[in-house]
Amino acid sequence: DTGVSQDPRHKITKRGQNVTFRCDPISEHNRLYWYRQTLGQGPEFLTYFQNEAQLEKSRLLSDRFSAERPKGSFSTLEIQRTEQGDSAMYLCASNTQYTEAFFGQGTRLTVV
Amino acid sequence: GENVEQHPSTLSVQEGDSAVIKCTYSDSASNYFPWYKQELGKGPQLIIDIRSNVGEKKDQRIAVTLNKTAKHFSLHITETQPEDSAVYFCAASKNSGAGSYQLTFGKGTKLSVIP
Repeated sequence: DTGVSQDPRHKITKRGQNVTFRCDPISEHNRLYWYRQTLGQGPEFLTYFQNEAQLEKSRLLSDRFSAERPKGSFSTLEIQRTEQGDSAMYLCASNTQYTEAFFGQGTRLTVV
Repeated sequence: GENVEQHPSTLSVQEGDSAVIKCTYSDSASNYFPWYKQELGKGPQLIIDIRSNVGEKKDQRIAVTLNKTAKHFSLHITETQPEDSAVYFCAASKNSGAGSYQLTFGKGTKLSVIP
């Protein structure tokens, strides 16, 4: 296992379209996090899973954002009715209670 | 909520010199303070971290200091090398459970090491 994997690496979409990103955490990592990073800023926490349970979702940016982790392994982040302000890097991280969090390389979203 | 301020936003040093990046945080309940290095097109990579029961931690050329009273922490890189050039982020969290990484990040410092 080489690390946290995110797919796709880049996504260009038209305003109003829905997009879905996938994150595959390091195997055996039961905790998974989504962050958003806009240009020139630090990552901003969005949501957190422990196994399949979404333990924190109040920081999702709007009701257009949703995340799932149905079997406690991979996770998806969906943005409905995308807006130009959604353009950013979406980062996923994973860990166990005993380890640091490892980040993936991110999915760069451009909304045109 | 937590607010993390980071300074400077850009820093240029000559190879071999030291670099210092400073952060302040607002929530006195925060107890975990990691530092990340981010290279272009990559995700952040943890380089060192410190918990609130420790005042200083060192790992080879990198050290972090924490002043809980003043609510600030700093990253020190000695003997800088060109490969240290990257964006560095500080972060803070209330570690509500062991290994919970709901981090608040600073805005980053772009470090350039001039050969």
